[in-house]
Amino acid sequence: DSGVTQTPKHLITATGQRVTLRCSPRSGDLSVYWYQQSLDQGLQFLIQYYNGEERAKGNILERFSAQQFPDLHSELNLSSLELGDSALYFCASVFGADYNEQFFGPGTRLTVL
Amino acid sequence: LAKTTQPISMDSYEGQEVNITCSHNNIATNDYITWYQQFPSQGPRFIIQGYKTKVTNEVASLFIPADRKSSTLSLPRVSLSDTAVYYCLVGEGRDKIIFGKGTRLHILP
Repeated sequence: DSGVTQTPKHLITATGQRVTLRCSPRSGDLSVYWYQQSLDQGLQFLIQYYNGEERAKGNILERFSAQQFPDLHSELNLSSLELGDSALYFCASVFGADYNEQFFGPGTRLTVL
Repeated sequence: LAKTTQPISMDSYEGQEVNITCSHNNIATNDYITWYQQFPSQGPRFIIQGYKTKVTNEVASLFIPADRKSSTLSLPRVSLSDTAVYYCLVGEGRDKIIFGKGTRLHILP
């Protein structure tokens, strides 16, 4: 158990819909990273937040957005969903702002039908 | 941003030592080298991180030559449970994190 929690574990929705994925970092960690992993693909870095502020941006689509709240939990919002958005979405947390050992959550499996 | 190159897959047998090499020719002065392990449908798990020479912990060793253009993850006496994907990352923090596709290690009985 990494100490990072993600909800929900599974999500099934239809094309065109909008969903929100939630991540609670380890106690004391200030940074949250979001990743997308499609079937048989590597992890694609989407975005990083540090203490409520966006820190780095990766291959995040304009249909996707994220935020980190004052209690440090983070949400990833996916809208106008397409079949290709079906994937595992992981969040990871780190104490500091810069890359170090990341602790990953169990992931949310999103299925778009 | 340093790009990494790893073998796509490797097979080995239980009890053997496994070495996975990662090339990172454009590594920057401030970059660290980090390895993660991922089992199917689970988040990656940190294995080891190093900057130069050799680092060892309870599960692996990381060998980094003087020019730092490559690194080798060494797993001693592997077991079936070491079957996983192994990712090599290079970076120093604010860069975008690139995991790549990793090396799929298959341990045979």
